[in-house]
Amino acid sequence: GENVEQHPSTLSVQEGDSAVIKCTYSDSASNYFPWYKQELGKGPQLIIDIRSNVGEKKDQRIAVTLNKTAKHFSLHITETQPEDSAVYFCAASINNNDMRFGAGTRLTVKP
Amino acid sequence: NAGVMQNPRHLVRRRGQEARLRCSPMKGHSHVYWYRQLPEEGLKFMVYLQKENIIDESGMPKERFSAEFPKEGPSILRIQQVVRGDSAAYFCASSPLQGHEQYFGPGTRLTVT
Repeated sequence: GENVEQHPSTLSVQEGDSAVIKCTYSDSASNYFPWYKQELGKGPQLIIDIRSNVGEKKDQRIAVTLNKTAKHFSLHITETQPEDSAVYFCAASINNNDMRFGAGTRLTVKP
Repeated sequence: NAGVMQNPRHLVRRRGQEARLRCSPMKGHSHVYWYRQLPEEGLKFMVYLQKENIIDESGMPKERFSAEFPKEGPSILRIQQVVRGDSAAYFCASSPLQGHEQYFGPGTRLTVT
């Protein structure tokens, strides 16, 4: 089955700096890669996703890149703000079924 | 448009009791997914249901755990004879169609004493 690895497990940046979180997956059939943000005591919130027919997608300060050959994808947050502090999860699935999550990255943005 | 609703938000059970977790999907969504999250860990897929059908239960323990999504009413995740290791946050997500984005509820935090 699919195996998703996520790095780093914790990340601390200064406000205004960029943050990058990386994930690798094992199943070459995976074609859907969402990213979720989870704040303390809440459910995961979808922030951006990418499908395997696209190499890069951007939404304001957030971007995701996908390298199908290497089977890795990354989340980029630019101009970080304290409210970006949360745990971020990547996931991989085939047609959005049986989604496998990474272990999460705890991002801290210091003011 | 209300989001995914889960109740209760917190549930305490003694070992051996039954736990029932409910999930009401977003309006118009007929696909429900259940996940378990242990502290400081990612989410683990448990089961995927459509109305009156279990589509994929490959992530659900074979014993003590069951799930349903009836024609009317919320989806139910039932854990019989709970043990301390069942303590976790249980999240459900819904989507309008197979292959579409999943939207998560706030979760139910189960504590087994």
